[in-house]
Amino acid sequence: GQQLNQSPQSMFIQEGEDVSMNCTSSSIFNTWLWYKQDPGEGPVLLIALYKAGELTSNGRLTAQFGITRKDSFLNISASIPSDVGIYFCAGYMYSGGGADGLTFGKGTHLIIQP
Amino acid sequence: KAGVTQTPRYLIKTRGQQVTLSCSPISGHRSVSWYQQTPGQGLQFLFEYFSETQRNKGNFPGRFSGRQFSNSRSEMNVSTLELGDSALYLCASSSLAGGLNEQFFGPGTRLTVL
Repeated sequence: GQQLNQSPQSMFIQEGEDVSMNCTSSSIFNTWLWYKQDPGEGPVLLIALYKAGELTSNGRLTAQFGITRKDSFLNISASIPSDVGIYFCAGYMYSGGGADGLTFGKGTHLIIQP
Repeated sequence: KAGVTQTPRYLIKTRGQQVTLSCSPISGHRSVSWYQQTPGQGLQFLFEYFSETQRNKGNFPGRFSGRQFSNSRSEMNVSTLELGDSALYLCASSSLAGGLNEQFFGPGTRLTVL
């Protein structure tokens, strides 16, 4: 099935640092979504992107929908301890009569050292 | 507005048994999608229901089935459970079908098969 390549797999950073992660695909996606998941909980939507080239911010988070529609990145500025968690990219690839559900990346595990 | 709710939160079953999981979407949302999350495979799409009709189905065996009721609540059933079915099962609701907008996830049901 379709896969999204998400990197890095994990990040160890200092509090206050900026974070950057990205997702790439060999196929075109029409929607990119970024989620954060805490242990034992469901993913929480952070940012949704619908247009190629779109740049969207949500507080300290900024995400962009790549021009080629095959990639997206998420930046977190001035990280704080509560940013710890697993971040997932997800996208919809339309095929035939409709989307086949969200395709997820494998996640980026963010660990912040005080 | 209340979020997506899933019941039960935890479930322990033995091989060969069947299980039914329930999901109540956000009020007004008519699309419900189900996902399986495991450490090895990550998040994988099971199926999507919209207005009581299954719109899309992921690459899972026929032991996995679902349905949606007129109030948009959805159930997922897994028959003849196998050890590999142990996972976090997540449902997500959306106001539109087929990936036309963002999906909001519930907390998940943790299924353990012994």
